Amino acid sequence: DQQVKQNSPSLSVQEGRISILNCDYTNSMFDYFLWYKKYPAEGPTFLISISSIKDKNEDGRFTVFLNKSAKHLSLHIVPSQPGDSAVYFCAASGYAGGTSYGKLTFGQGTILTVHP
Amino acid sequence: SAVISQKPSRDICQRGTSLTIQCQVDSQVTMMFWYRQQPGQSLTLIATANQGSEATYESGFVIDKFPISRPNLTFSTLTVSNMSPEDSSIYLCSVEAETYEQYFGPGTRLTVT
Repeated sequence: DQQVKQNSPSLSVQEGRISILNCDYTNSMFDYFLWYKKYPAEGPTFLISISSIKDKNEDGRFTVFLNKSAKHLSLHIVPSQPGDSAVYFCAASGYAGGTSYGKLTFGQGTILTVHP
Repeated sequence: SAVISQKPSRDICQRGTSLTIQCQVDSQVTMMFWYRQQPGQSLTLIATANQGSEATYESGFVIDKFPISRPNLTFSTLTVSNMSPEDSSIYLCSVEAETYEQYFGPGTRLTVT
């Protein structure tokens, strides 16, 4: 049962244009969402997160949008740069009690290629 | 963000043997996690390790196969026991920050022959 889905295995974008990566989830208990970037032979790097009380969060070139009713989130990268070429994972979590969110459930990843 | 190191970075092991992976964090953290990324797959949580208590394992993962230690607030180990080629994966530890995002180590790439 894939609770977090990234339906696009790959995305190709021209440098300077916008990259839009999409993610859908099915578990209504998820209330915290994260995006990670991963290069080969490295661990995932945290990019940006959003809690379910918001519908948008911005950090520099990265913006995450959350549509709770559609159970959909997206990551916008503007402008895209060749160094952004990597695998992007979305992840989701539900409040685990105490001071922790705990377990992350990951999507399958989208390979982003930004062409010069 | 926390700085996390893992040892070894990679290893090639024979089936039937065991490998212990170390995870070191540069600050004290309550929650540490161990994930696995099989070839071409996403990341899957193996277990959650809190200092001073037994690790909590996810469905499909058992303590006999993946024993975990968490002796203090900056260190944890994961052992992959009685290995088979199906255990060939990248093993990653992560920690949860006070603001709830998780930060990952560089991973240990394990190949079982």
